[in-house]
Amino acid sequence: QVQLQESGPGLVKPSGTLSLTCAVSGGSISSSNWWSWVRQPPGKGLEWIGEIYHSGSTNYNPSLKSRVTISVDKSKNQFSLKLSSVTAADTAVYYCARDLMGCSSTSCLGYWGQGTLVTVSS
Amino acid sequence: QSALTQPRSVSGSPGQSVTISCTGTSSDVGGYNYVSWYQQHPGKAPKLMIYDVSKRPSGVPDRFSGSKSGNTASLTISGLQAEDEADYYCCSYAGSYTSVVFGGGTKLTVL
Repeated sequence: QVQLQESGPGLVKPSGTLSLTCAVSGGSISSSNWWSWVRQPPGKGLEWIGEIYHSGSTNYNPSLKSRVTISVDKSKNQFSLKLSSVTAADTAVYYCARDLMGCSSTSCLGYWGQGTLVTVSS
Repeated sequence: QSALTQPRSVSGSPGQSVTISCTGTSSDVGGYNYVSWYQQHPGKAPKLMIYDVSKRPSGVPDRFSGSKSGNTASLTISGLQAEDEADYYCCSYAGSYTSVVFGGGTKLTVL
């Protein structure tokens, strides 16, 4: 069973860069799946950030594209998120996720990490 | 503002059925049979309940069903149980540029 675990600083200063890593266990980052990041501001809904394939191909939410970079590290079986020029509006629980094998698109996220709260504050 | 529109809340009594709607456009819900639904309990990660409009992942009870007509998708929960009380989010593939969009979420209350 695939398990995902987010890690990274819980506090980031305004204008700084948010950096998170998602460690994958019970499966390979090189499998035929897309690996995604989703965030949820406190008390609000889900927002898709972007996704990456093990080849390095990426897709990003157009509203965040100018600030987001998602990368993969096959040697460590993990993938990462960087979000630059953060403001208080980027305060959220950040989840990493993987699509469900057999699903016809990358919108069916069948495996999720437990999430990590990142607060943007000075 | 979310890309997909859901009612903010719905409610039902145990044993009853409820339906949650999710309205998009021809660029997302109406353009692809790639709608999924997620259940989220407070403080927990979302859980995939329906994918590809009407398919259920292994382990999801058949009380949960999905459908789509035009630009509107629906999640129906029959035989409501107390543990179904949660937030529900719809999600759709939206093409190669936008990729994935979520609805704003619906809070289900089991009376």
